[in-house]
Amino acid sequence: DTAVSQTPKYLVTQMGNDKSIKCEQNLGHDTMYWYKQDSKKFLKIMFSYNNKELIINETVPNRFSPKSPDKAHLNLHINSLELGDSAVYFCASSQGHTGRGTEAFFGQGTRLTVV
Amino acid sequence: AQSVTQPDIHITVSEGASLELRCNYSYGATPYLFWYVQSPGQGLQLLLKYFSGDTLVQGIKGFEAEFKRSQSSFNLRKPSVHWSDAAEYFCAVVGAGNMLTFGGGTRLMVKP
Repeated sequence: DTAVSQTPKYLVTQMGNDKSIKCEQNLGHDTMYWYKQDSKKFLKIMFSYNNKELIINETVPNRFSPKSPDKAHLNLHINSLELGDSAVYFCASSQGHTGRGTEAFFGQGTRLTVV
Repeated sequence: AQSVTQPDIHITVSEGASLELRCNYSYGATPYLFWYVQSPGQGLQLLLKYFSGDTLVQGIKGFEAEFKRSQSSFNLRKPSVHWSDAAEYFCAVVGAGNMLTFGGGTRLMVKP
């Protein structure tokens, strides 16, 4: 069974559209994350979320919003997509924050292409 | 703010040769450090981590890393590289907000 799964794996869409990427983890973890990897492979944290707290990287545009229907899911909604949003988006989860010394498990990524 | 630098963007080694990937970090307190590997089209897999204690840590796939506080470094090593080790390697530190900050990555290529 895949520990952290994301759908879709590939997403091609036009500028201005609104899209969502889904993420589910079956590890029983209480903390989930979204990361963005750009074309130069730089990985940047976007959000950290658990039942109590959402931490947003201040550089993330408010067109991006995480939505967590339950502890096992953290979906990423993107409004008014722009060309610069093209990237690979990774979901991850951990038991407690990684700052407590726990490992983050990553999904396989969603390659978003905005045309 | 914390930061991670991986000075080598690309490294090519021959199969069977030894490997060292460099990582330097900037963080005020005692860092939590990680090395992840990303194979083409895949997510990130943890190789090893350092939190405290012995400064030489062992990981999966025969990798090890050494934490050197005086040099602010956490270099990854492997004594004998296999062709399957070709991938992108990321060093990371836990910083503000208890979130991972990644270096820019090092792409490892292995010559037969």
